Amino acid sequence: QITLRESGPTLVKPTETLTLTCTFSGFSLSTTGVAVGWIRQPPGKALEWVGNIYWDDDTRYSPSLKTRLKITRDTSKNQVVLTLTNMDTVDTGTYFCARDWGSAALDFWGQGTMVTVSS
Amino acid sequence: DIVMTQSPDSLAVSLGERATITCKSSQSLLYSSNNKNYLAWYQQKPGQPPKLLIYWASTRESGVPDRFSGSESGTDFALTISSLQPEDVAVYYCQQYHRTPYTFGQGTKLEIK
Repeated sequence: QITLRESGPTLVKPTETLTLTCTFSGFSLSTTGVAVGWIRQPPGKALEWVGNIYWDDDTRYSPSLKTRLKITRDTSKNQVVLTLTNMDTVDTGTYFCARDWGSAALDFWGQGTMVTVSS
Repeated sequence: DIVMTQSPDSLAVSLGERATITCKSSQSLLYSSNNKNYLAWYQQKPGQPPKLLIYWASTRESGVPDRFSGSESGTDFALTISSLQPEDVAVYYCQQYHRTPYTFGQGTKLEIK
């Protein structure tokens, strides 16, 4: 059974750094072709892809976020960590992590975690 | 970036009737190595994460009812629900995963007429 779960703060202040953890089970991030992706969704708005980390430790980021974003993994703990610096109110939203199976798109998702940026 | 344009933004269909949502990509999503379009459809209900319905433009994910189908023609794609059920009320998104940055359509809100 494949599961993913996001965890982290629900409230951050402007200019602070957001750190979210995706803890997953039921698959390995060492398997060729597998990635874990982060996707976010402002309240009432559409989905926005944030970035991916791949089985070979390659990373890909949204161009609009790449100067502030870092995604890392701890394969032994089955965790992927998102770090987003210099948070702004426009970064408010629900952050999801999902398994990216390459051919089959984002096939399993976590429930998401709501992050509010406010002073 | 590849731009995904969905239409309509919202749609109201009677129970048992057909619902069709379209999605147009600004570039080809076709992988020549396997002749597949890397286009997915997701269903999102309030307070829930998106659920994968269709991948490779027309392959139904395991467990998805067969009233959901995907079609493709060049850079034009469609999701069809053949007979609308009450549980199909949701927002539907298309997404290209042909290359990063992955991009989503703006979403289509489907309601019961």
